[in-house]
Amino acid sequence: NAGVMQNPRHLVRRRGQEARLRCSPMKGHSHVYWYRQLPEEGLKFMVYLQKENIIDESGMPKERFSAEFPKEGPSILRIQQVVRGDSAAYFCASSPPGTGSLYEQYFGPGTRLTVT
Amino acid sequence: AQSVAQPEDQVNVAEGNPLTVKCTYSVSGNPYLFWYVQYPNRGLQFLLKYITGDNLVKGSYGFEAEFNKSQTSFHLKKPSALVSDSALYFCAVRDASGGYQKVTFGTGTKLQVIP
Repeated sequence: NAGVMQNPRHLVRRRGQEARLRCSPMKGHSHVYWYRQLPEEGLKFMVYLQKENIIDESGMPKERFSAEFPKEGPSILRIQQVVRGDSAAYFCASSPPGTGSLYEQYFGPGTRLTVT
Repeated sequence: AQSVAQPEDQVNVAEGNPLTVKCTYSVSGNPYLFWYVQYPNRGLQFLLKYITGDNLVKGSYGFEAEFNKSQTSFHLKKPSALVSDSALYFCAVRDASGGYQKVTFGTGTKLQVIP
């Protein structure tokens, strides 16, 4: 049973470019969460999605960041016009359907974004 | 608003000695509590959780944690540390109220087990 998949594992973008981060949840999981981890900082919640629905985006910056989880295909975290401050590790996690965050979350290996 | 505090940025312990990684929490209702471990350049891995029932929870790799409601704590423990336990440990909490409740993670504690 494959775990949570994220790609790419490493992404380098120049300032002003767009970054697209992909996450495929574990089989049978319908809840997806995105987190950002900065060096020496903890894990910061960004957004929680179910298929075709954004449930909680309270951790998303108001501009340049968006997320989706379509009916088919992976969840996408999109960062437009990247700036150096966006450099971080971005983690995706998934959990089973039902009482979403009652369950533990299963994390992917992360995408390390570097903005030059 | 709920919160988690991990008061120690780093914990050093000698191999074979018992280890404790501290966590305190704040929620408006009852808590669900989790511990995760992160190895370098990897995602977080689930260790154990407290939902209800016995206050002492046993998890993966010989780890356990004790829920203490009066002290609002959920410290992670292991009787005998291994060098391979060296990693970053995160405590997390969510309110047990019904419906969607966000999970809040602590800032992490780096555990260094010295051979």
